[in-house]
Amino acid sequence: GIQVEQSPPDLILQEGANSTLRCNFSDSVNNLQWFHQNPWGQLINLFYIPSGTKQNGRLSATTVATERYSLLYISSSQTTDSGVYFCAVDTGTYKYIFGTGTRLKVLA
Amino acid sequence: DVKVTQSSRYLVKRTGEKVFLECVQDMDHENMFWYRQDPGLGLRLIYFSYDVKMKEKGDIPEGYSVSREKKERFSLILESASTNQTSMYLCANSQQGRWETQYFGPGTRLLVL
Repeated sequence: GIQVEQSPPDLILQEGANSTLRCNFSDSVNNLQWFHQNPWGQLINLFYIPSGTKQNGRLSATTVATERYSLLYISSSQTTDSGVYFCAVDTGTYKYIFGTGTRLKVLA
Repeated sequence: DVKVTQSSRYLVKRTGEKVFLECVQDMDHENMFWYRQDPGLGLRLIYFSYDVKMKEKGDIPEGYSVSREKKERFSLILESASTNQTSMYLCANSQQGRWETQYFGPGTRLLVL
């Protein structure tokens, strides 16, 4: 089945720094989502981005479907950005496959 | 404000017990999902349902069953809990045909002793 790899697995930033999270996938996908899981376990949808670029405030995401990767950019990071970031892909089977996540800690 | 609720945030059970985890959504969505989350493994799909009384196996259905008698409610059942089912369980839902946006509940941390 399709493999989803995220990097880096862990990231520590000083508040105000920028970062890029990467998601590689091994096959063509119909859908791709980025999620943020806060320290209390709640998963929040950030972007639905099967291709192209989207921006929402300090966050933006780009998916290059032909090269099978997606990037999540966080600018001017804040302590509230801490948590785990997941990408998830759907190959058309209506079942999302999740990556193992990037654990981000932003220090004040 | 849309809501997905799960019956418990924390649960401790003994090996061999029957365990019910319940998920309720007020979004009138057709699709509902149960995932488990384990360190280093991300989220893995256990079962999903695209309509009342309909269910489909996910990637790791062994040891679990589900029930969906009403549209808003999706239950995950551990018939005989085992220690390897200690995990974080997450419920999600989405609109029919709108697979792009899944809404998650707060999760249930289950410990099986």
